[in-house]
Amino acid sequence: DAGVIQSPRHEVTEMGQEVTLRCKPISGHNSLFWYRQTMMRGLELLIYFNNNVPIDDSGMPEDRFSAKMPNASFSTLKIQPSEPRDSAVYFCASSFRASGIWYEQFFGPGTRLTVL
Amino acid sequence: QKEVEQNSGPLSVPEGAIASLNCTYSDRGSQSFFWYRQYSGKSPELIMSIYSNGDKEDGRFTAQLNKASQYVSLLIRDSQPSDSATYLCAVNQVQGAQKLVFGQGTRLTINP
Repeated sequence: DAGVIQSPRHEVTEMGQEVTLRCKPISGHNSLFWYRQTMMRGLELLIYFNNNVPIDDSGMPEDRFSAKMPNASFSTLKIQPSEPRDSAVYFCASSFRASGIWYEQFFGPGTRLTVL
Repeated sequence: QKEVEQNSGPLSVPEGAIASLNCTYSDRGSQSFFWYRQYSGKSPELIMSIYSNGDKEDGRFTAQLNKASQYVSLLIRDSQPSDSATYLCAVNQVQGAQKLVFGQGTRLTINP
């Protein structure tokens, strides 16, 4: 298995531009997570999906952030418009959940976003 | 009280010694517990999972879970410089929004 795939690996953009991050989870996993990591705030959960349905988006910073999961093998995280404070590493992770049990969660390589 | 607490460190251990990392959690109903290792500039890498009380060993790593005391620990035997990293504890939350909650991580340095 190729593991969780994220693209792009690096993104540099200017303030005000739209940014789209992409994720392909591990085949067979039914839960997908988007995290943001900074030195100051550590690893923060932004949103997670179970069976393609958003379950908890309480970590999404504001309306500029949106996430979709149109099918079991693809998800996007969009920031529009982007701001310098959005600069961080964004991780996608996937897991399998059944009967209330969370099984191992695996992370993608991350997208390092820099907003100038 | 934070949902998952770890000592941020840094924790410094001589090469060859046992490194002990601890984590406490607040949700008594939690059932899944994980340890991740994260090297600087890399993504978190799963190294251990544990679901029931007691010890679980995998090579030089041993995870210990005590649900009554609400703590989970990770022991690294025969520590190597390559073990120097940040170690993240993650616990599933069953109250409220069910999700995996991560601690802030413990930075471990193994000194040759």
